[in-house]
Amino acid sequence: EDKVVQSPLSLVVHEGDTVTLNCSYEVTNFRSLLWYKQEKKAPTFLFMLTSSGIEKKSGRLSSILDKKELSSILNITATQTGDSAIYLCAVEAPGTASKLTFGTGTRLQVTL
Amino acid sequence: GAGVSQSPSNKVTEKGKDVELRCDPISGHTALYWYRQSLGQGLEFLIYFQGNSAPDKSGLPSDRFSAERTGGSVSTLTIQRTQQEDSAVYLCASSPSGWGSPGELFFGEGSRLTVL
Repeated sequence: EDKVVQSPLSLVVHEGDTVTLNCSYEVTNFRSLLWYKQEKKAPTFLFMLTSSGIEKKSGRLSSILDKKELSSILNITATQTGDSAIYLCAVEAPGTASKLTFGTGTRLQVTL
Repeated sequence: GAGVSQSPSNKVTEKGKDVELRCDPISGHTALYWYRQSLGQGLEFLIYFQGNSAPDKSGLPSDRFSAERTGGSVSTLTIQRTQQEDSAVYLCASSPSGWGSPGELFFGEGSRLTVL
């Protein structure tokens, strides 16, 4: 059974800190890993990482895929209160049908 | 539509009643997914549609759960004889991709179901 594990489950940081969120996975026929941000209701897409694109960056957020270690990290530098959210990691598991297997998420709270 | 639309946004029902949750995906998206998110849990896959067909129903937790999609567009998730453990947020997502790779999913805001 495909498995995605995220750590830490939650953390609280001060505005301006840098945080690193972790995601490890056990899936067959890995194709891609995706990061989503869920502030209130609908998760919104951040990054997709594949074998041909193992590092992505957008502003203060960046993510790296380590296929050897079967893991990924999401870095947020100079955190702001608006970064407070649940960050979800998902891995694509193609087979008879394509679907994403999600981890339980990391709840990040950024305080003033 | 501009985004994935779900209704109702909130539903409170009594144990044993049937409920229907609706999802209207982004126009032209062929793939549609239902996920469930319980308090403190990650997203749990329920069912996947490609067009009107459901090639993967492996996540439906029991035979009380069913879903259909018509016209390659709107989908309805039906839960019969609801139980308290069915309480969760039911998220719908769509993707423009066909067979092979879902890529990025576009999520609706979910339907929060509370079973008393």
